[in-house]
Amino acid sequence: SQTIHQWPATLVQPVGSPLSLECTVEGTSNPNLYWYRQAAGRGLQLLFYSVGIGQISSEVPQNLSASRPQDRQFILSSKKLLLSDSGFYLCAWSDYSNQPQHFGDGTRLSIL
Amino acid sequence: DQQVKQNSPSLSVQEGRISILNCDYTNSMFDYFLWYKKYPAEGPTFLISISSIKDKNEDGRFTVFLNKSAKHLSLHIVPSQPGDSAVYFCAATRPSGGATNKLIFGTGTLLAVQP
Repeated sequence: SQTIHQWPATLVQPVGSPLSLECTVEGTSNPNLYWYRQAAGRGLQLLFYSVGIGQISSEVPQNLSASRPQDRQFILSSKKLLLSDSGFYLCAWSDYSNQPQHFGDGTRLSIL
Repeated sequence: DQQVKQNSPSLSVQEGRISILNCDYTNSMFDYFLWYKKYPAEGPTFLISISSIKDKNEDGRFTVFLNKSAKHLSLHIVPSQPGDSAVYFCAATRPSGGATNKLIFGTGTLLAVQP
């Protein structure tokens, strides 16, 4: 069966520090991968998606970037975090049929 | 622009009764809808979905109804159980035939099932 792993579960970072969140999927090949963010009191907002190694599409302009160095690895990064980057970050995958998307357990990011 | 709306932030129901969670959408191009359930500190878990060619889909205690003319869908849980207490997200997408489908989520409804 397929599983998705995200880490760390929680992270507290100072403003201006870099960020790297990692997501890996097991049990499937060539998945579509997604990064979402849930801000307080808001729904989940799609940040990035990837249909293959090195292929990244950005949905909203922001202080973050994403990379897919391997087929089942998706990384969310920032060079300098802002206070507004605080939130709950979720990675998800789907197969070629695209739905449904399956989510990891998320990373709670707090910026101080 | 909130294309998917869940106007009830919370709902409280007695155990054994029916829970009805509502969702409205504005984009008539959406043709596939999903419900996710989320516990605190966990990612959302897929529950049930419905294609726009149907008006009802049932899976055990969960039934999703779609009213395309009203751009409205609802999730019925019957009978409700305390373990159903969670945040429920409605999501919509428009399969484009391309490489990926983007889910547009509502803001969620917190369901509390009282024993």
